[in-house]
Amino acid sequence: AQTVTQSQPEMSVQEAETVTLSCTYDTSESDYYLFWYKQPPSRQMILVIRQEAYKQQNATENRFSVNFQKAAKSFSLKISDSQLGDAAMYFCAYRSAKGAQKLVFGQGTRLTINP
Amino acid sequence: GAVVSQHPSRVICKSGTSVKIECRSLDFQATTMFWYRQFPKQSLMLMATSNEGSKATYEQGVEKDKFLINHASLTLSTLTVTSAHPEDSSFYICSARTGRPGTIYFGEGSWLTVV
Repeated sequence: AQTVTQSQPEMSVQEAETVTLSCTYDTSESDYYLFWYKQPPSRQMILVIRQEAYKQQNATENRFSVNFQKAAKSFSLKISDSQLGDAAMYFCAYRSAKGAQKLVFGQGTRLTINP
Repeated sequence: GAVVSQHPSRVICKSGTSVKIECRSLDFQATTMFWYRQFPKQSLMLMATSNEGSKATYEQGVEKDKFLINHASLTLSTLTVTSAHPEDSSFYICSARTGRPGTIYFGEGSWLTVV
């Protein structure tokens, strides 16, 4: 079974600075997807960024980018120019490209932005 | 983007009664829907995967007789918590997947309080 590990329960960063959230995963599959989701206090799950395992190029979405290291099974999220609205729980998630394609989530990292 | 609607957003029920939560994909057909449970300050735990017209696949440790999941149409899945107890109080989130490989969209979640 696949597992996702986020080793940082909490992180904080100064507004306008850069922060990196860590995520590692374990799988024997070669074809899969990785995601970062943001969950603000409203509890709505918001997709931040998505990476296909077959793509070598790291995904970027405006201020959000990932460092995908397939051999190391590492998938970190970098947030540049942090904003107060970035404060939330961030979940790393794995999804197989086969079968039911259910999402497997990490434990989450609570990100605090200091003004 | 696609919309998944969950209803009710908050529900309070008496211990021993049953309560139903609906998950609807409003503008797409969802061949697969997923139900998650989230305890305070924890990650999302997958409860079951439901496919339209077939029985749900429950994760290990989830009581299928207690958490009844029905996926009667391509746009509607329901979770019924039967004989609810205070320990069933939690935040329940559904998600729906479009096609293959598909994109997964989340509902807004439902707070269940059993008194």
